[in-house]
Amino acid sequence: ELKVEQNPLFLSMQEGKNYTIYCNYSTTSDRLYWYRQDPGKSLESLFVLLSNGAVKQEGRLMASLDTKARLSTLHITAAVHDLSATYFCAVDISWGGTASKLTFGTGTRLQVTL
Amino acid sequence: GAGVSQSPRYKVAKRGQDVALRCDPISGHVSLFWYQQALGQGPEFLTYFQNEAQLDKSGLPSDRFFAERPEGSVSTLKIQRTQQEDSAVYLCASSLYRAGEQYFGPGTRLTVT
Repeated sequence: ELKVEQNPLFLSMQEGKNYTIYCNYSTTSDRLYWYRQDPGKSLESLFVLLSNGAVKQEGRLMASLDTKARLSTLHITAAVHDLSATYFCAVDISWGGTASKLTFGTGTRLQVTL
Repeated sequence: GAGVSQSPRYKVAKRGQDVALRCDPISGHVSLFWYQQALGQGPEFLTYFQNEAQLDKSGLPSDRFFAERPEGSVSTLKIQRTQQEDSAVYLCASSLYRAGEQYFGPGTRLTVT
């Protein structure tokens, strides 16, 4: 059974600081997603990582994927209050073009304080 | 263009009642997924449709849960004889093709009292 673990589960950051969220998963996959969820809202796609060594950046967020280590990271640079939300990684265990069945991590609740 | 829509957004049911949750996927999207998100948890897969065919229902927690997509577009998730443990947000997602990126709807928050 695929397990996806995120840490930390809760992160309180000061504005302007840097930090990294980690996503470890237990079985081979070469497709990983990062989502953002605001309270009471649905999931907003942030990044799709499709291969080993993939790195994507958008604004203050940068995501990377190491399929050999089964690890993805979401790095936050110079945090701002607007980044406060819950962040989920999700692993796609589809093979050969069969349907994706996402397995989500437990989420990291990020709170950026002044 | 329009995204995935779900209705109702909120549903309160008394224990034992049946409920039906609707999902309108993005037009033209072949694949449709249902997920259940308990409070403070990540979403968990329930079931998957490709067009009208339900190809995976391995995540449905009991035989009280039933999903359909008769014409390959709108889907309905039905829960019979609701229990308190069914209280959760039910998310629908669609993707253009089988292994494509999934786009999520706003969810239906179900509260069973």
